[in-house]
Amino acid sequence: GAVVSQHPSWVICKSGTSVKIECRSLDFQATTMFWYRQFPKQSLMLMATSNEGSKATYEQGVEKDKFLINHASLTLSTLTVTSAHPEDSSFYICSARSAAETQYFGPGTRLLVL
Amino acid sequence: AQSVSQHNHHVFLSEAASLELGCNYSYGGTVNLFWYVQYPGQHLQLLLKYFSGDPLVKGIKGFEAEFIKSKFSFNLRKPSVQWSDTAEYFCAVDTNNSNYQLIWGAGTKLIIKP
Repeated sequence: GAVVSQHPSWVICKSGTSVKIECRSLDFQATTMFWYRQFPKQSLMLMATSNEGSKATYEQGVEKDKFLINHASLTLSTLTVTSAHPEDSSFYICSARSAAETQYFGPGTRLLVL
Repeated sequence: AQSVSQHNHHVFLSEAASLELGCNYSYGGTVNLFWYVQYPGQHLQLLLKYFSGDPLVKGIKGFEAEFIKSKFSFNLRKPSVQWSDTAEYFCAVDTNNSNYQLIWGAGTKLIIKP
């Protein structure tokens, strides 16, 4: 149990385009989901906390207009990187918090912006 | 500010050696404590967690961790490591008052020499 999926697993896009990443909790409901970014050889950096049915809470330094988060249901949150630039290339990871107060992580999405 | 520190960035061991990875946190209130593991090329997986009760918790793959409240520590142990334990290990703390965000340690890379 407690499986979290992400789609796509990797994406390559042109600079200026937008990319949507989906995060789904497959076998549990998650009122809270989190989006992280991981730079090479570094730990996870929390970008935002997403609560179902409400606006996401962004960490300091994360542009909310650039990284749009939607948590429309208890099993789905989406992160849209708008007008992507090469510096947005990274590994994006989501997690979903279960009723047992434990975060379960998705496999990540590798984004490469050309 | 709340923080989590992991004592070693890299640990090198031979197979069958005993393992102890240190984790200390700074927060005076009630905490939930976690160890996550990231095997090469894979996503973060929950290794074990402590919420309350017996301070010695057992996780998957023969790992255990002991919560020592007086030392603000939650060290991870395994009596005899295997080559397949090569991975990065992250300690994380949930203080239950930060919108369920996890506070992460920087991670410890464990390399097991066959």
